Amino acid sequence: SQTIHQWPATLVQPVGSPLSLECTVEGTSNPNLYWYRQAAGRGLQLLFYSVGIGQISSEVPQNLSASRPQDRQFILSSKKLLLSDSGFYLCAWSRNSGANVLTFGAGSRLTVL
Amino acid sequence: EDQVTQSPEALRLQEGESSSLNCSYTVSGLRGLFWYRQDPGKGPEFLFTLYSAGEEKEKERLKATLTKKESFLHITAPKPEDSATYLCAVPPAGGTSYGKLTFGQGTILTVHP
Repeated sequence: SQTIHQWPATLVQPVGSPLSLECTVEGTSNPNLYWYRQAAGRGLQLLFYSVGIGQISSEVPQNLSASRPQDRQFILSSKKLLLSDSGFYLCAWSRNSGANVLTFGAGSRLTVL
Repeated sequence: EDQVTQSPEALRLQEGESSSLNCSYTVSGLRGLFWYRQDPGKGPEFLFTLYSAGEEKEKERLKATLTKKESFLHITAPKPEDSATYLCAVPPAGGTSYGKLTFGQGTILTVHP
């Protein structure tokens, strides 16, 4: 069976500090990978998605970047965090063909102070 | 632009009091409508996918239905453990990545014993 791991679960960072959130998927190969953000009281917003190693598409211009150094690893980064980067970040994966279901990780709660 | 609107924003029910949640969407060429359940502080958990008007799917006390403009999530005789945020989402009308979902804001369901 497939599992998705995301860490850290909780992070409190000062403004201007760097960020690295990591996500790995087990039990499947060549998945589509996604980073979503959920601000308090709002729906999920797609930030980045990837259909393969080194292939990243950005959905929303912002202070964040994403990388996919390995087939089942997806990293969300920032060089300098802003207050507005606070939120609940969710990694997800889906199969790379067909109308496939998104499976989400447990999420990472980021608070920027 | 694809839009997904959920109502009500919040719903309080007594245990055993049946009700429905609504998800209306504007997307040409619907390629599926997804329902997710999200518990506080956790990632969304997949419930159902509906593909065509008239389709229905059931899971325990939940039944999802789909028309050409909206979907309903019917909750029959709910229990306190059904308390969660329920999200609906649709994929884009074009393109190849079904994981690029547009989510509604969600309905926060609270079931009191």
